[in-house]
Amino acid sequence: DIQMTQSPSSLSASVGDRVTITCRASQSISSYLNWYQQKPGKAPKLLIYAASSLQSGVPSRFSGSGSGTDFTLTISSLQPEDFATYYCQQSYSTPHTFGQGTRLEIK
Amino acid sequence: QVQLQESGPGLVKPSQTLSLTCTVSGGSISSGSYYWSWIRQPAGKGLEWIGRIYTSGSTNYNPSLKSRVTISVDTSKNQFSLKLSSVTAADTAVYYCASERNIRHWFDPWGQGTLVTVSS
Repeated sequence: DIQMTQSPSSLSASVGDRVTITCRASQSISSYLNWYQQKPGKAPKLLIYAASSLQSGVPSRFSGSGSGTDFTLTISSLQPEDFATYYCQQSYSTPHTFGQGTRLEIK
Repeated sequence: QVQLQESGPGLVKPSQTLSLTCTVSGGSISSGSYYWSWIRQPAGKGLEWIGRIYTSGSTNYNPSLKSRVTISVDTSKNQFSLKLSSVTAADTAVYYCASERNIRHWFDPWGQGTLVTVSS
């Protein structure tokens, strides 16, 4: 199985901050990397697919980059509704695997 | 706009079989553009992909669960189902169904999720 490791596991930030979350794969996955946002009691929501493509309807302050084994999700200017848990997911091979999550909290 | 909705018992006894159904609306489950997946999340923990089925009936399962999982599809009802046998407390989780794009394989949309508790 391909292991996905996110860092940090948790992060405190303020509204307006620029935030970066990192995801590392245990082997090269090309650009088969997706990012999700999950709020308490809700299903995950797709933000970014194929490492850098913004899902329709997702604000442009979200962006993704990377290829191979190292990827980043950046939120350019945090908004109150962005405080949530973020997961990366590799779709290079089955079993599809997720990172452990990054909890983004209000400072 | 495709929507998914999970249904099934919220309480299952240890050693029994967990059975859930996902109903797809707003689109055809026979669309060749998607796989249909199950994903679970224990309380306070991360996401685990359980497996998927294609409209042809072809399946892929997570090796960690493969011996206990069966995913099937009923195209006449626009539904797909999950069966997980010999459950234990470790199988207590929120279970999500999701559509998985057949290129690049991202999950979107997801069902709202259903909590299944394994307890006597």
